[in-house]
Amino acid sequence: KNQVEQSPQSLIILEGKNCTLQCNYTVSPFSNLRWYKQDTGRGPVSLTIMTFSENTKSNGRYTATLDADTKQSSLHITASQLSDSASYICVVSPTDSWGKLQFGAGTQVVVTP
Amino acid sequence: GAVVSQHPSWVICKSGTSVKIECRSLDFQATTMFWYRQFPKQSLMLMATSNEGSKATYEQGVEKDKFLINHASLTLSTLTVTSAHPEDSSFYICSAADSVGYGYTFGSGTRLTVV
Repeated sequence: KNQVEQSPQSLIILEGKNCTLQCNYTVSPFSNLRWYKQDTGRGPVSLTIMTFSENTKSNGRYTATLDADTKQSSLHITASQLSDSASYICVVSPTDSWGKLQFGAGTQVVVTP
Repeated sequence: GAVVSQHPSWVICKSGTSVKIECRSLDFQATTMFWYRQFPKQSLMLMATSNEGSKATYEQGVEKDKFLINHASLTLSTLTVTSAHPEDSSFYICSAADSVGYGYTFGSGTRLTVV
């Protein structure tokens, strides 16, 4: 069973609107949780990284939150742009398995004019 | 920030030939690099972990004789797909970790098509 579950699988939003992506994980203990953006045919690019003790991290229009008690994270995209169309991947790094990152399946976001 | 360069970005090869993919850390020393494979609409699957100066560690189900990994320096790891077949066609991505292991930076990926 995948230890990192993302929802929704995909979504379509209008340019300028906000959206929130969800990530539920069972990885424990973990050292950090990352959100990556992956454009089609490209490698993932880091958006935010949070240690287990952090609650929120922002990077421009991207804001990630982390609730270690409920094992949930979210990525909020503000004022979406056409260039935000991509797959967003939640990645959790287990403390006891260095390098064995646990990847979510990603949320495919399509921003339409 | 840390930059990982991966080349080539795409390659088409004939069945039975070998293809080499390079992964370089440009502004930091990468003691460990990782190689992933990604199928369409799926997440990244770890193939192997390579440590500078030692043999790579392969994940279960990954043929080490088919996917040769060399990590001869702190800035370069290579993945060679030997005797490629159409089923090897995929998107291959490398990532590098710094010596602390806190940061993982991904390469831009290589689209391999075997015809």
